[in-house]
Amino acid sequence: QVQLQESGPGLVKPSQTLSLTCTVSGDSISSGDYYWNWIRQHPGKGLEWIAYIYYSGNTYYNPSLKSRVSISVDTSKNQFSLKLSSVTAADTAVYYCARGARGYTYYFDYWGQGTLVTVSS
Amino acid sequence: QSALTQPASVSGSPGQSITISCTGTSSDVGGYNYVSWYQQHPGKAPKVMIYDVSNRPSGVSNRFSGSKSGNTASLTISGLQAEDEADYYCSSYTSSSTLYVFGTGTKVTVL
Repeated sequence: QVQLQESGPGLVKPSQTLSLTCTVSGDSISSGDYYWNWIRQHPGKGLEWIAYIYYSGNTYYNPSLKSRVSISVDTSKNQFSLKLSSVTAADTAVYYCARGARGYTYYFDYWGQGTLVTVSS
Repeated sequence: QSALTQPASVSGSPGQSITISCTGTSSDVGGYNYVSWYQQHPGKAPKVMIYDVSNRPSGVSNRFSGSKSGNTASLTISGLQAEDEADYYCSSYTSSSTLYVFGTGTKVTVL
């Protein structure tokens, strides 16, 4: 059974950097069969795709966040991470990591439970 | 890239069928067969119900079905049950630089 689990601080001060890690179990990021994604959901709002990373380190970012986002992978720990810099209250959201299908299909088949990150002083 | 347009709410009685629409453009929904649908219960992570317009993942009830016509995709829930009460989001691949776009979300209420 594939499981993803987000971890990281639940409170970040404005202008600082939000850092989250997703630990994957039941699958190997190194298999190369999937993209590994970050998606967020503002309180009471819809979903916003942030970025993905492939096991090789190839990345793709949402242009609206690209200047502030960095995503990395540690295949030895079967983890991937998100960094979002210069955060403001508008970055307060539930952050999900998710496995994304690849190869002439685009959807997210496994999600973490999500972690609420609040930006506040 | 704007979000795909969904009705804010849809309701139905147990046993009835309901349909949720998801309207995009020729750059996303209309241009590719990469529409997926997600069910989200309060406080929970989204769960994929349909992918590639009409495919159901293993374990998803066959009461859920998907289709597409032009720039509008649809999710139909037949034999509505209390457990179907949740928020539903569509998503599509988009040829814009955003890559993935989600819908505005629909709250399904079982009366």
